[in-house]
Amino acid sequence: DAKTTQPPSMDCAEGRAANLPCNHSTISGNEYVYWYRQIHSQGPQYIIHGLKNNETNEMASLIITEDRKSSTLILPHATLRDTAVYYCIASSNDYKLSFGAGTTVTVRA
Amino acid sequence: GAVVSQHPSWVICKSGTSVKIECRSLDFQATTMFWYRQFPKQSLMLMATSNEGSKATYEQGVEKDKFLINHASLTLSTLTVTSAHPEDSSFYICSARDLRDSYEQYFGPGTRLTVT
Repeated sequence: DAKTTQPPSMDCAEGRAANLPCNHSTISGNEYVYWYRQIHSQGPQYIIHGLKNNETNEMASLIITEDRKSSTLILPHATLRDTAVYYCIASSNDYKLSFGAGTTVTVRA
Repeated sequence: GAVVSQHPSWVICKSGTSVKIECRSLDFQATTMFWYRQFPKQSLMLMATSNEGSKATYEQGVEKDKFLINHASLTLSTLTVTSAHPEDSSFYICSARDLRDSYEQYFGPGTRLTVT
């Protein structure tokens, strides 16, 4: 699976949109981009995934660049409960998810 | 959404004893479950892939005789830490794939193991 690179941390204000970047410059054509998050001392939670097209669900939006070398997860209206570690994962299937260091997102009131 | 449970949520055991952790998919069937380990301030590390009715596949560096995995049914996988030592103290998390949904893994809440 392709290596992903994320900033180690970021802060955002409650009620504002949070944009989380992820680089996956070596991603192959059959690899999806997955986003999970982990709130402290809990199991990870699935957020969204995509292959080529932008995706949106009730939690977030995923914007994938045309060359697929990077993506951005958008939390449209961040709340304090969105404080967590966010993981961007490139995987050709969901049999194995390789978690990197992720981005620690802190939402401040 | 689908729910995965783990039992116990935390356990303290003495060095040299064995501990069994259960992972259950509550409202769906899972042919494949995964076991991860997470040390403090570190990311999740995949330990093994558990397939119903067959032997588990272990990641490189994970001792299969120390971490026994059994996946006897489509809703239950167990991880037994044998002859536990303090360095086995960690947060153990399982996940499962829903047969009806090939893209999403559902994670359990984790089990905190402390070996004294």
